[in-house]
Amino acid sequence: ETVLTQSPGTLSLSPGERATLSCRASQSVSNNYVAWYRQTPGQAPRLLIYNASSRAAGVPDRFSGSGSGTDFALTITRLEPEDFAVYYCQQYGSSPLTFGPGTKLDIK
Amino acid sequence: EAQLLDSGGGLVQPGGSLRLSCVASKITSSTYAMSWVRQAPGKGLEWVSSISGTGGSTYYPDSVKGRFTISRDTSKNTVYLQMNSLRPEDTAVYYCAKAIHQCSSGSCAIYWAFDLWGRGTQVTVSS
Repeated sequence: ETVLTQSPGTLSLSPGERATLSCRASQSVSNNYVAWYRQTPGQAPRLLIYNASSRAAGVPDRFSGSGSGTDFALTITRLEPEDFAVYYCQQYGSSPLTFGPGTKLDIK
Repeated sequence: EAQLLDSGGGLVQPGGSLRLSCVASKITSSTYAMSWVRQAPGKGLEWVSSISGTGGSTYYPDSVKGRFTISRDTSKNTVYLQMNSLRPEDTAVYYCAKAIHQCSSGSCAIYWAFDLWGRGTQVTVSS
């Protein structure tokens, strides 16, 4: 099983700032099949990035994904109020599909 | 706007059963690969099961294998999750989710990331 570790656990920033979230896999993720989701309280997750760097439909271009192998990152430029939420990475390169524990992005 | 409507959750005693349903609305094809993902209270996301577009292939993690069964009725645009021998640790919000399909020139690539989610249905296993 591929275990995903996300860092930091909590990130405190102000609106308009830039955020960089990390996701590290316990083994190389096949085809860089990594996705990123944003989840606000009481809501279902929303897909942001898939295949490590492809933006999902309707996702603003201030969200970008990067990385390969075992190290992946989500960058959010110019934080908006709705971006203060929990972010999960997911790998789908091997079974079982696994998610990271999440990074909480909160307002400083 | 495309939607997934998941339902069927409730309170059940340990060892009991529940069947969850997920109806797809305004999706052009009824044969998308689908999954269930759960989230225990205050916890992260956990993949529970997946089914291919035709229903011919199903997938489970070890934590639910042999207890949960995913199935689909394409005529009803519905995916089901039959959950048996439920345990307190199965308590969670259960989401149905659609896998990404990228189609061009008559063929589709399927990626097991999820671009459409239901609102979730609460399952509580407790005596």
